[in-house]
Amino acid sequence: GDSVTQMEGPVTLSEEAFLTINCTYTATGYPSLFWYVQYPGEGLQLLLKATKADDKGSNKGFEATYRKETTSFHLEKGSVQVSDSAVYFCALSVSGGSYIPTFGRGTSLIVHP
Amino acid sequence: SAVISQKPSRDICQRGTSLTIQCQVDSQVTMMFWYRQQPGQSLTLIATANQGSEATYESGFVIDKFPISRPNLTFSTLTVSNMSPEDSSIYLCSVEDRQGATEAFFGQGTRLTVV
Repeated sequence: GDSVTQMEGPVTLSEEAFLTINCTYTATGYPSLFWYVQYPGEGLQLLLKATKADDKGSNKGFEATYRKETTSFHLEKGSVQVSDSAVYFCALSVSGGSYIPTFGRGTSLIVHP
Repeated sequence: SAVISQKPSRDICQRGTSLTIQCQVDSQVTMMFWYRQQPGQSLTLIATANQGSEATYESGFVIDKFPISRPNLTFSTLTVSNMSPEDSSIYLCSVEDRQGATEAFFGQGTRLTVV
């Protein structure tokens, strides 16, 4: 079945550091890939997405590129801020059926001033 | 896009009691989803709720424990019945994007603590 694997957290960084959160997936079809973010005390919200191979999703300084050859969708940001502290979820959904996303276990990011 | 209002945002409940969580969407949607997020864990789908039919439950979840109502295309409730401390979790309502853009939208979650 479909699955998403994320790097273990927490990831602890100083402000302005470079961020990478690794995500790899397995899917039986042609998935769309997503990063969702969950700020403390809130629900999930979409951060960015990519719907086909080599697409790059970007938002709020975050980027992720859909790499079909390595089945990866790593999240990156060049300079993190304290306000980026949150839990980040990688997810996929496969077209052609009822949309129910498959989520990774989430990676907590803590950014110190 | 869809805006989802979920309430209560948090509650502390006595074991053996029940809590009903409400989810209101600002537009009509076909499918609504209920998830559980246990501390430090990812999201686990509890059930899918379609208007006018019985909810479809995932493995490990049963209607007697998590009854769901879906009276119309903008509203759903999830009840956590006969609660125990193991039910302490965040419960999230979600809907699909009716425009077919494949992303999901979530309510802000209900943080439940059972004592």
